[in-house]
Amino acid sequence: SQTIHQWPATLVQPVGSPLSLECTVEGTSNPNLYWYRQAAGRGLQLLFYSIGIDQISSEVPQNLSASRPQDRQFILSSKKLLLSDSGFYLCACRERAGLQETQYFGPGTRLLVL
Amino acid sequence: GESVGLHLPTLSVQEGDNSIINCAYSNSASDYFIWYKQESGKGPQFIIDIRSNMDKRQGQRVTVLLNKTVKHLSLQIAATQPGDSAVYFCAPQGADSNYQLIWGAGTKLIIKP
Repeated sequence: SQTIHQWPATLVQPVGSPLSLECTVEGTSNPNLYWYRQAAGRGLQLLFYSIGIDQISSEVPQNLSASRPQDRQFILSSKKLLLSDSGFYLCACRERAGLQETQYFGPGTRLLVL
Repeated sequence: GESVGLHLPTLSVQEGDNSIINCAYSNSASDYFIWYKQESGKGPQFIIDIRSNMDKRQGQRVTVLLNKTVKHLSLQIAATQPGDSAVYFCAPQGADSNYQLIWGAGTKLIIKP
């Protein structure tokens, strides 16, 4: 089964600073990858998903971007963070082969923008 | 658009009792449903899933019931334990070809000793 790594686990950044969150996946090939953000006490908001290398779809307009330079690497970035970017960021993976449709989640990165 | 509603934002049950968490969905084209458990500070964890060609599926201490007629599903947890304290999400799979899940706000399950 796949394993999803995210780092860092926690991050405190000043407003206007850049951001780079990394997600890597083991144990699967050619997966769909997802970035979600979760505000405190709320559900998950899909930010980006990727069906392959350099193939990124954005779900909401914002100052964040995503890249997938390798099959099992998904990066979330920002050039200038806003206060509203604070939240819990989750990377998820879905195997595309076979009938397995479940998304599995990484441990998440908690971002606090001050 | 797609929406998922959860009947109760917080559910408080006595340890050892059974818990029932309800979920309503709006897209009749949804054909796959997943329940996740999210403990504080962690990512959601898969619990159980069910396809639209089934109306019941059982796992270890959990049962999911699906009523497609009224677009409702429930998660039943038997003999609730302290470790069951978490937020529970139901996530119907939408009609999108990239199998995007639709997320509601979740139900927080509190276990009373």
